[in-house]
Amino acid sequence: EPEVTQTPSHQVTQMGQEVILRCVPISNHLYFYWYRQILGQKVEFLVSFYNNEISEKSEIFDDQFSVERPDGSNFTLKIRSTKLEDSAMYFCASSERDRGDTQYFGPGTRLTVL
Amino acid sequence: AQSVTQLGSHVSVSEGALVLLRCNYSSSVPPYLFWYVQYPNQGLQLLLKYTSAATLVKGINGFEAEFKKSETSFHLTKPSAHMSDAAEYFCAVAFRTGGFKTIFGAGTRLFVKA
Repeated sequence: EPEVTQTPSHQVTQMGQEVILRCVPISNHLYFYWYRQILGQKVEFLVSFYNNEISEKSEIFDDQFSVERPDGSNFTLKIRSTKLEDSAMYFCASSERDRGDTQYFGPGTRLTVL
Repeated sequence: AQSVTQLGSHVSVSEGALVLLRCNYSSSVPPYLFWYVQYPNQGLQLLLKYTSAATLVKGINGFEAEFKKSETSFHLTKPSAHMSDAAEYFCAVAFRTGGFKTIFGAGTRLFVKA
């Protein structure tokens, strides 16, 4: 069964450094998403992406964040200058359509900012 | 505004007993509703979803949920708990405002006692 993959599984970085989290969505999916989950808290929506542009973003997704689909398979989340509070699990998801279509989640990348 | 409330951050049941996890939502537009399960150190797995078809939705692992518009509820049930059901469960509401956005509840951790 097709699945969403994410790399790396764990990323440790120093405060102020840039990080790029990578995701490979399911190949025929057109909608892509990033979520984060701070330890012990709920899953929070960051951004949705369709047709090479952001279609929706939350208040969390400020100028420090950016997303890109650099080629036909990868979908990346970049944090330009990491802060301690960026430490969280970041989940990528994809869906074939929107309108309530099932979002398939990757296993997540645990980001630790020291 | 859209929101999701899960009643009870922790629920404990005996093996073989009924599982009931409560979810209430608020949405100004017709919602799409989901239940996800998260096992320790794993991503989110879809249990079931409601997308305006049948109000009683059956999912994987014997779970089902009923959409009750009058009560704005989407409670998750399973007739007989199994030890392997111990996990975190998230209710989510999805809606379209320009793009497509999903809001998650705070989660309910299910404990199953032998």
